[in-house]
Amino acid sequence: SQQGEEDPQALSIQEGENATMNCSYKTSINNLQWYRQNSGRGLVHLILIRSNEREKHSGRLRVTLDTSKKSSSLLITASRAADTASYFCATEESSGYSTLTFGKGTMLLVSP
Amino acid sequence: GAGVSQSPSNKVTEKGKDVELRCDPISGHTALYWYRQRLGQGLEFLIYFQGNSAPDKSGLPSDRFSAERTGESVSTLTIQRTQQEDSAVYLCASSPWRRVGTEAFFGQGTRLTVV
Repeated sequence: SQQGEEDPQALSIQEGENATMNCSYKTSINNLQWYRQNSGRGLVHLILIRSNEREKHSGRLRVTLDTSKKSSSLLITASRAADTASYFCATEESSGYSTLTFGKGTMLLVSP
Repeated sequence: GAGVSQSPSNKVTEKGKDVELRCDPISGHTALYWYRQRLGQGLEFLIYFQGNSAPDKSGLPSDRFSAERTGESVSTLTIQRTQQEDSAVYLCASSPWRRVGTEAFFGQGTRLTVV
């Protein structure tokens, strides 16, 4: 089953612009994570935000979490062509086991 | 090794044959996950191990799929009587268990093609 749903499914921007991706989920969570995937292979962890946090920054990344709306957003500022990839949100539910459930992802294309 | 290792990286098999996919997690990581990703799709959860027990097998799509793990070490995902719809990239990830949650480290996946 899939918990997170990202939107948009695809996003195309120019270098230097900001990119915003959104994620919605359904159940109570311990934390929400964002991952990046290049070329359909291994995923790389970008940032983790806990359920008691509202905003977190890491370099050009800014993540927000609204547990009342069960949603999160990932903002990439001053995008670069190298940011071209698929981005996935993943949730760790607060009940049951610590499985990580992923959404379908947003494909980001940054043109030079 | 330094990261999660999966083998083989690519596997082509004939319909009806069995295949075994291997995952070597990062040493000391108690949690291990298997996911399936079809072309252009998201990650579909298959199974989760905490140590060598699998508290969540809910994602295994059929009884043709099984997985096991030896202690907190290597895991194998076996697909019996493969079908064409099994063609996908199979991704393994591991993480150290922490109550507050932690990131998962992914291998590069095994691309399975059933012909």
